[in-house]
Amino acid sequence: AQTVTQSQPEMSVQEAETVTLSCTYDTSENNYYLFWYKQPPSRQMILVIRQEAYKQQNATENRFSVNFQKAAKSFSLKISDSQLGDTAMYFCAFTSGGGADGLTFGKGTHLIIQP
Amino acid sequence: NAGVTQTPKFRILKIGQSMTLQCTQDMNHNYMYWYRQDPGMGLKLIYYSVGAGITDKGEVPNGYNVSRSTTEDFPLRLELAAPSQTSVYFCASSFAPGQGYGYTFGSGTRLTVV
Repeated sequence: AQTVTQSQPEMSVQEAETVTLSCTYDTSENNYYLFWYKQPPSRQMILVIRQEAYKQQNATENRFSVNFQKAAKSFSLKISDSQLGDTAMYFCAFTSGGGADGLTFGKGTHLIIQP
Repeated sequence: NAGVTQTPKFRILKIGQSMTLQCTQDMNHNYMYWYRQDPGMGLKLIYYSVGAGITDKGEVPNGYNVSRSTTEDFPLRLELAAPSQTSVYFCASSFAPGQGYGYTFGSGTRLTVV
C-alpha cells in the first residue's frame, strides 16, 4: 500500500516570502502521479499542481512549483511571492498509474501567510 | 457546467438513524469516489466506482454502502449512524485517472452524529 507523509503540521511565513512544503511517499510502483491540493476555509479541494512520475521536468504553475526527486520519493511544493490568499491547508496526494482506486492523501500542512 | 454536486451541505443525525449523501457529476466521468475527512487529517477513501454498475471498497468502508446505477450519480448510504461517522464527506470524479487526469471534488457534506 502506498503512504504519503507530510512532516510539517503547520507553517507560517510573511507575505511575499517563499515557502516550501515537504512531502514524501512510499510506493513500489514505477508509474504514478503526484498532486498538491489546496483546501481553504471554504473546504473546497482545489488542485494546485500535478506531476507525472515518468517526467523528469518539475511541474510549474505560476507561483507554484515542485521539486520532484523520484529516487528519494520526495515531492515538495514551493510557493513564491506568497499571498494572503495562499493561507490554507495543503495536501500532498498520490495515485498509481492505474489510478482507478483513487488518491492517497497525506495529513496536510496548515500554511498561514502573515501580513 | 456544474461539475460535482453534493447534497446536503450540512446534516445532523441522531445515533442509529440512516441517510443518503447524494453526489452527481455532469462531466461524463466514469470514475467516482467517496472520501471522508476527519479533523486534522487527510482524506480517506470509503468507496469508489469505475463505471455504472461497478463499485469497490476503499480504505474505510465499514458502516457505508454505495450504488452506481448511472454514470452521473454515486450516492453514499449511511446505515445506523454512529458518532465515529461524524466527518466531512467529499465526492470526487475523474475522466481517466490512470492517464493523469485530475480529480474534481464536490464542496463536501459536513455530517454530525449525536
